[in-house]
Amino acid sequence: AQKITQTQPGMFVQEKEAVTLDCTYDTSDPSYGLFWYKQPSSGEMIFLIYQGSYDQQNATEGRYSLNFQKARKSANLVISASQLGDSAMYFCAMRESLYNTDKLIFGTGTRLQVFP
Amino acid sequence: GAGVSQSPSNKVTEKGKDVELRCDPISGHTALYWYRQSLGQGLEFLIYFQGNSAPDKSGLPSDRFSAERTGGSVSTLTIQRTQQEDSAVYLCASSFSGERTTWGYNEQFFGPGTRLTVL
Repeated sequence: AQKITQTQPGMFVQEKEAVTLDCTYDTSDPSYGLFWYKQPSSGEMIFLIYQGSYDQQNATEGRYSLNFQKARKSANLVISASQLGDSAMYFCAMRESLYNTDKLIFGTGTRLQVFP
Repeated sequence: GAGVSQSPSNKVTEKGKDVELRCDPISGHTALYWYRQSLGQGLEFLIYFQGNSAPDKSGLPSDRFSAERTGGSVSTLTIQRTQQEDSAVYLCASSFSGERTTWGYNEQFFGPGTRLTVL
């Protein structure tokens, strides 16, 4: 079974609009962390935002926010006021079992294209 | 300060040859990770080093793959008898602390990757 599922291979959004990138996860461990990374065409992985399973509030970092719905096991990334520079691949990742490992399990990614 | 560096940036090799990929983590980072990204795919975990502990090799796809980390710093990923399906971008990441923590998170900083092409 997929641990991290990103069902949107590609998304389009107009500049200045908000966009939501979906991510669902599967784990039986109560202690885990969820990450979003951005990968521009240049290839580097850029950390965007983190949500811990015990965090009471949704994480926010500037224009990025994470819509964490624990019961549904979803951790959607919301980008507000999209910019042309937001065009990139976006990966959702999970650090499963915070007690045991630091490795990340990644989804297959969503390619976001922002148009003027 | 310097980020994670990897060398070479590109490597083209013939099927059956051995290759070595190098990773220099951020100074002071105790944890080091190797991932593989095949074309159009997400990142696949390969191996993880944390301090002096035995590495987590659970992601290595076959015994042709091995990695070592010398002196708690530089790491080398070796692929023996390369196959065409080994073609991918190999990414290295490091984090400040590999200690297991409930409340914190150890953001992984990624290098630019090595693009390996096996002909």
